[in-house]
Amino acid sequence: EAGVAQSPRYKIIEKRQSVAFWCNPISGHATLYWYQQILGQGPKLLIQFQNNGVVDDSQLPKDRFSAERLKGVDSTLKIQPAKLEDSAVYLCASSSPRTGANVLTFGAGSRLTVL
Amino acid sequence: SQKIEQNSEALNIQEGKTATLTCNYTNYSPAYLQWYRQDPGRGPVFLLLIRENEKEKRKERLKVTFDTTLKQSLFHITASQPADSATYLCALDMRTGANNLFFGTGTRLTVIP
Repeated sequence: EAGVAQSPRYKIIEKRQSVAFWCNPISGHATLYWYQQILGQGPKLLIQFQNNGVVDDSQLPKDRFSAERLKGVDSTLKIQPAKLEDSAVYLCASSSPRTGANVLTFGAGSRLTVL
Repeated sequence: SQKIEQNSEALNIQEGKTATLTCNYTNYSPAYLQWYRQDPGRGPVFLLLIRENEKEKRKERLKVTFDTTLKQSLFHITASQPADSATYLCALDMRTGANNLFFGTGTRLTVIP
């Protein structure tokens, strides 16, 4: 089974520029998540999709972050304009709850550096 | 306020010993508690989960306990090996309508040969 694919792996931009990250989840996984992981911290949920609908985006800074999951498969996370504090790893994960628990499969992440 | 705390940022142990990592939480009532392993430059990988009505779960050299009264989970790696060196994250599965996980900050484990 192929894992969760993310690109790009690394991105360096100047503040106020824009950036987009792409994620392709495991085939058949209806739920897709974007997490932000700042160095030395645990992942923090930004947005959760169920198929192509948003389930939770309460922690997404909507003035600069946006995400979409057209057709309920792959997803794009955009930051515009970027700030220095957006430097982090952006992790995409997917899940297909079968046992009542919510086990996530993560991609390798996209590391963003904002200068 | 809600908190998830994992013991010391870093833990060093000798190869062959048992590593014990703790996860304490306040003002949460998780239905499940999960443990993930994260290697540098990689995403977290799921290891084990334990339900609120379970006291203990084992998988090979791994053991997890869950005490909802103490609001604590312990994660044990027996007969530790240098390959076990990684950051270990606990995650609370709240089973809310959104079904998302709340992660701790992680403990970086180093197993010294």
